[in-house]
Amino acid sequence: EVQLVESGGGLVQPGRSMKLSCAASGFTFSNYGMAWVRQAPTKGLEWVATISYDGSSTYYRDSVKGRFTISRDNAKSTLYLQMNSLRSEDTATYYCTRGRRASDYWGQGVMVTVSS
Amino acid sequence: DIVLTQSPALAVSLGQRATISCRASQSVSTSSYNLMHWYQQKPGEQPKLLIYDASNLASGIPVRFSGSGSGTDFTLTINPVQADDIATYYCQQSRELPLTFGSGTKLEIK
Repeated sequence: EVQLVESGGGLVQPGRSMKLSCAASGFTFSNYGMAWVRQAPTKGLEWVATISYDGSSTYYRDSVKGRFTISRDNAKSTLYLQMNSLRSEDTATYYCTRGRRASDYWGQGVMVTVSS
Repeated sequence: DIVLTQSPALAVSLGQRATISCRASQSVSTSSYNLMHWYQQKPGEQPKLLIYDASNLASGIPVRFSGSGSGTDFTLTINPVQADDIATYYCQQSRELPLTFGSGTKLEIK
């Protein structure tokens, strides 16, 4: 059974940093591109970043470029999202997803609240 | 960015057909693929992939869900609608970055 389990969220002050993790199991992690998608409270879905199966290619939406870094450790089957210089508009539930085009599996999500 | 437009809500009776549309601001099709995907999200839950590449049923999804379309116009059909289908439905394109989602269509029971 495919499982994606996010961790690392919580309350953080504007301008500070936070790192999210996503532990994957039930499939060969190193064979799949992965992505982060977020959803602000009561809002729709927003793509954040994607990484290729081997980590050699990364892609970001403009509003997080230069502040967020997506990475992976295939030996640990874990996906990461390092978030720096956080802003109030980054407040959202962050989902770890499998796939570079369509996301066929999603984690349960982790809430990140940016507030003073 | 490719903008995907969905109607905010749709009300249907149980056992009837629901047709949810998604219009893209430019084509999301290539010579080989129609790069439009559909998700279902129930309150308090993560989204679930229903349809990929416009018309392919994702694993474990009931056959009463179907998708169609090409270019800029796409449709998700649920027939017949069941009570468990009450949710918000999102389309998403992967033709170009940034990947974008529609604003969602909330399916309600009439």
